[in-house]
Amino acid sequence: GQQLNQSPQSMFIQEGEDVSMNCTSSSIFNTWLWYKQDPGEGPVLLIALYKAGELTSNGRLTAQFGITRKDSFLNISASIPSDVGIYFCAGQVPSGSARQLTFGSGTQLTVLP
Amino acid sequence: EPEVTQTPSHQVTQMGQEVILRCVPISNHLYFYWYRQILGQKVEFLVSFYNNEISEKSEIFDDQFSVERPDGSNFTLKIRSTKLEDSAMYFCAHADANIQYFGAGTRLSVL
Repeated sequence: GQQLNQSPQSMFIQEGEDVSMNCTSSSIFNTWLWYKQDPGEGPVLLIALYKAGELTSNGRLTAQFGITRKDSFLNISASIPSDVGIYFCAGQVPSGSARQLTFGSGTQLTVLP
Repeated sequence: EPEVTQTPSHQVTQMGQEVILRCVPISNHLYFYWYRQILGQKVEFLVSFYNNEISEKSEIFDDQFSVERPDGSNFTLKIRSTKLEDSAMYFCAHADANIQYFGAGTRLSVL
């Protein structure tokens, strides 16, 4: 099956710093999504990307859909304590009527005061 | 963001027992999914459900698993005879266009 390589696995940063994480794949995806998961909760959608080369922002978050459709990055600017959590990239390839997501292994973000 | 409700939040069961996990759908959504997340690992696709039938399933979704919408409302995942390795968070998701919205999950603990 398709695999997503997400890095880094974990990050420890100071409050106020910027963060960058990325995902790569050997396969092409038609849609890239970035989710955040808090402990004991389900993934919450942060940003959705639909077109190769697309750059999209959501507040302090910026994500890009790579030109080759095989990669994406997520940047968080001026981090704050509530940014703590696990960030997952997910790729989507429409397959008939199903649109299953393939998830990366996650980036655990810790923001130090 | 549309809310997806899952019950129970935590299910404890003995190995070999049957469990049913429930998801309350958003009425105008057409696609439903179940995903699994073993503790500390990534989220894995189990099955997709469209137009009241399974669209796709992963190799994880073996004969012990089944899904249905018994009354056109709740969307359920049944595990017929649970194994220790079934212990995980199970997430229901619904899709609106290309966006999948996840519930808070059911934590299944198999003893």
